[in-house]
Amino acid sequence: DSGVTQTPKHLITATGQRVTLRCSPRSGDLSVYWYQQSLDQGLQFLIQYYNGEERAKGNILERFSAQQFPDLHSELNLSSLELGDSALYFCASSAAGAYEQYFGPGTRLTVT
Amino acid sequence: AQSVSQHNHHVILSEAASLELGCNYSYGGTVNLFWYVQYPGQHLQLLLKYFSGDPLVKGIKGFEAEFIKSKFSFNLRKPSVQWSDTAEYFCAVIISGGGADGLTFGKGTHLIIQP
Repeated sequence: DSGVTQTPKHLITATGQRVTLRCSPRSGDLSVYWYQQSLDQGLQFLIQYYNGEERAKGNILERFSAQQFPDLHSELNLSSLELGDSALYFCASSAAGAYEQYFGPGTRLTVT
Repeated sequence: AQSVSQHNHHVILSEAASLELGCNYSYGGTVNLFWYVQYPGQHLQLLLKYFSGDPLVKGIKGFEAEFIKSKFSFNLRKPSVQWSDTAEYFCAVIISGGGADGLTFGKGTHLIIQP
């Protein structure tokens, strides 16, 4: 158990819908990262937040957005969902100044 | 931008065999390197990391990796694998001193250990 929690574990929704994935980092970690894992694209970095502020952006679509709240939990919002958005979405966290990231169990999103 | 290549997508070994998984990265500057393991149905776990110093690093579960700067490589090794090592292995890199960035992962190597 890494100490990073994610909810829900599974999510099934229809095309065109919007969903919100939630992540709570390890106690004391200020950075939260979101990754997408799919069969064709592999593991891809989406976005990083540090202490409530957006810090870095990866291959995140415009239909996707994220935020980090004062209690440091983060939410990833996916809208206008397409079949191709079906994937595992991982959250990771790291301590201030640390490079190693600790991953949560992931949310498996299925878009039908 | 940096990239990571893992040469072996699928590896099948027998128990007690030795393991070496290749990883090469492309980036001209200083990087931090990682190996993560993903057991079936589970999340990614950090196996080992290299930041600086001794290029031979030891991780959990008997794994080790060697950083060879001249070859831009960070190969993972284990002298004697067990059935429980069956998993997906990912090499990852992050730019050192970048401050803000995510990990860049290789495509992964699916390792199957036959009893």
